[in-house]
Amino acid sequence: QVQLQESGPGLVKPSQTLSLTCTVSGGSISSGGYYWSWIRQHPGKGLEWIGYIYYRGNTYYNPSLESRVTISLDTSKNQFSLKLSSVTAADTAVFYCARRTVSAGLFDYWGQGTLVTVSS
Amino acid sequence: DIQMTQSPSTLSASVGDRVTITCRASQTINSWLAWYQQKPGKAPKLLIQKASSLESGVPSRFSGSGSGTEFTVTISSLQPDDFVTYYCQQYKSYPYTFGQGTKLEI
Repeated sequence: QVQLQESGPGLVKPSQTLSLTCTVSGGSISSGGYYWSWIRQHPGKGLEWIGYIYYRGNTYYNPSLESRVTISLDTSKNQFSLKLSSVTAADTAVFYCARRTVSAGLFDYWGQGTLVTVSS
Repeated sequence: DIQMTQSPSTLSASVGDRVTITCRASQTINSWLAWYQQKPGKAPKLLIQKASSLESGVPSRFSGSGSGTEFTVTISSLQPDDFVTYYCQQYKSYPYTFGQGTKLEI
């Protein structure tokens, strides 16, 4: 059973860079067949797909965030990471990491989510 | 971007009721639509893919239908555990987008 777990600071100051890591267990991110994704949910709101990375390092970002987003992976630790730069209060959200199958654009496994608050 | 619009935003119902939630896409997405269920404080859970294919383990009281731009998810007989929030998601084209959610209330 694949499990994903987000980790990182719960509080980030405005203009700084938000950094989160997702640790995958129960499967290897290097095995192919999946895109490793980040999704966020503003408090009490809907879901916003941020982007994904493939085990070969290919990335695709939501154009609305592309200028501020970097997703990377560390296959030796079976982890992938999110960096979101120049954050503002509008970036306060629960951030989820999730697995997306290559064959279909849906998210079948999710982490539990981590709340990141942007505040001074 | 493809806009996904769910209706209603909130739906009041009772245990045992049959309910339907609608999701409309701003352009055709064929059948590339998924439904998720989200319980408070938890991650969304995939219920239905390709508009009508139930995920393994999802109760048969859930069903999905539609194609093109209009889709529905129906719960045939509401159980107490079903009174949570539901989201649709299109995966026809990037960026993938979600509906704003429908909250089922008792």
